[in-house]
Amino acid sequence: RKEVEQDPGPFNVPEGATVAFNCTYSNSASQSFFWYRQDCRKEPKLLMSVYSSGNEDGRFTAQLNRASQYISLLIRDSKLSDSATYLCVVNKYSGAGSYQLTFGKGTKLSVIP
Amino acid sequence: DGGITQSPKYLFRKEGQNVTLSCEQNLNHDAMYWYRQDPGQGLRLIYYSQIVNDFQKGDIAEGYSVSREKKESFPLTVTSAQKNPTAFYLCASNPGRGSRSYEQYFGPGTRLTVT
Repeated sequence: RKEVEQDPGPFNVPEGATVAFNCTYSNSASQSFFWYRQDCRKEPKLLMSVYSSGNEDGRFTAQLNRASQYISLLIRDSKLSDSATYLCVVNKYSGAGSYQLTFGKGTKLSVIP
Repeated sequence: DGGITQSPKYLFRKEGQNVTLSCEQNLNHDAMYWYRQDPGQGLRLIYYSQIVNDFQKGDIAEGYSVSREKKESFPLTVTSAQKNPTAFYLCASNPGRGSRSYEQYFGPGTRLTVT
């Protein structure tokens, strides 16, 4: 099982649609979870952290299920500007006070007018 | 403005040549990282450094070398021993051990093409 697995995509959705991305991780010792957004040929940027209780930031909602080792991202009322690749990222403790991020391959979203 | 700079944005080299990619940050971060991204692939960790004069291999360190002589700088050398060097290289940093050490801030990346 890969460390971080995401829906393969691509997701092509009309403006205004609701879209959900899923992600699973294999290391039960993982401590922190994130969704990053990466625009074409650009660097990844943090979209939001994911907390156990679930969290919302405007049109974006992230959920974490530690028992199932599952993370999700929901985007409501999709905008053209949401078109990007969404990376599921898991942080694990690697010893001596160090942490490492493991990135999923990403799911590409295209919002269509 | 605080941030991470990588130069150049595009780099072309002939096979067999070593090339060094620059990464500078003025965020006063202790930890710095180098990743490689291939088309349709996730980011893979090459090397990381938690403190000046110390660094560790990541998952794909073979064919690469780094140095961390200054807190602000973490250059990556792609040697001729790297079999498939053409890729998008991303440098990142975070505050390091302690509070809010989780989010990583990325530079704009360098696209290296080796022919």
